[in-house]
Amino acid sequence: GAVVSQHPSRVICKSGTSVKIECRSLDFQATTMFWYRQFPKQSLMLMATSNEGSKATYEQGVEKDKFLINHASLTLSTLTVTSAHPEDSSFYICSAPEGARTEAFFGQGTRLTVV
Amino acid sequence: GENVEQHPSTLSVQEGDSAVIKCTYSDSASNYFPWYKQELGKGPQLIIDIRSNVGEKKDQRIAVTLNKTAKHFSLHITETQPEDSAVYFCAASKGSGGSNYKLTFGKGTLLTVNP
Repeated sequence: GAVVSQHPSRVICKSGTSVKIECRSLDFQATTMFWYRQFPKQSLMLMATSNEGSKATYEQGVEKDKFLINHASLTLSTLTVTSAHPEDSSFYICSAPEGARTEAFFGQGTRLTVV
Repeated sequence: GENVEQHPSTLSVQEGDSAVIKCTYSDSASNYFPWYKQELGKGPQLIIDIRSNVGEKKDQRIAVTLNKTAKHFSLHITETQPEDSAVYFCAASKGSGGSNYKLTFGKGTLLTVNP
């Protein structure tokens, strides 16, 4: 199947700093990418949908000024957690469907810990 | 919007036994139903999926059944092995491009296969 690469896999940052997470489609072009957040022992909750060349669509309750999403190319989407706080500590996962296929491919996830 | 319910939340079986996880969905427009396996600290991996024009699909020890009328679908794992132990998520989407690729996940089932 197609490969979605997500980096970093783990990051620890100080409260008040910003963290950028990258999601790359390695062998296909992803016009749409999805960003999820997963708290321990819980399901994946969609945060936002990013489309190449346009503004991301955020789910209700997700602060767009805090979680900045950029999808400037067909192979790269980034999520920046700005002014991170301990409550932002979570597992962040991206996914992308490949072309006409319905199947979504997931990145490996990023464990963010804010101290 | 779509709502996906998943049961049970935990399931413990003996090696060699079968495991069944059930999901229901609310949106009759949903037509794509994937199942994901997630190991600790990793992103979800697609293990099998089914589209609404099919009632059953098998892949070796794994099978999925879909009842569109009742809006429920199930994952069946036969001859379970310890390496099947993980969290399993069902999901549903309209699966027809753009934001319709958006997946709504169930809450997950922690499957433990005891040797």
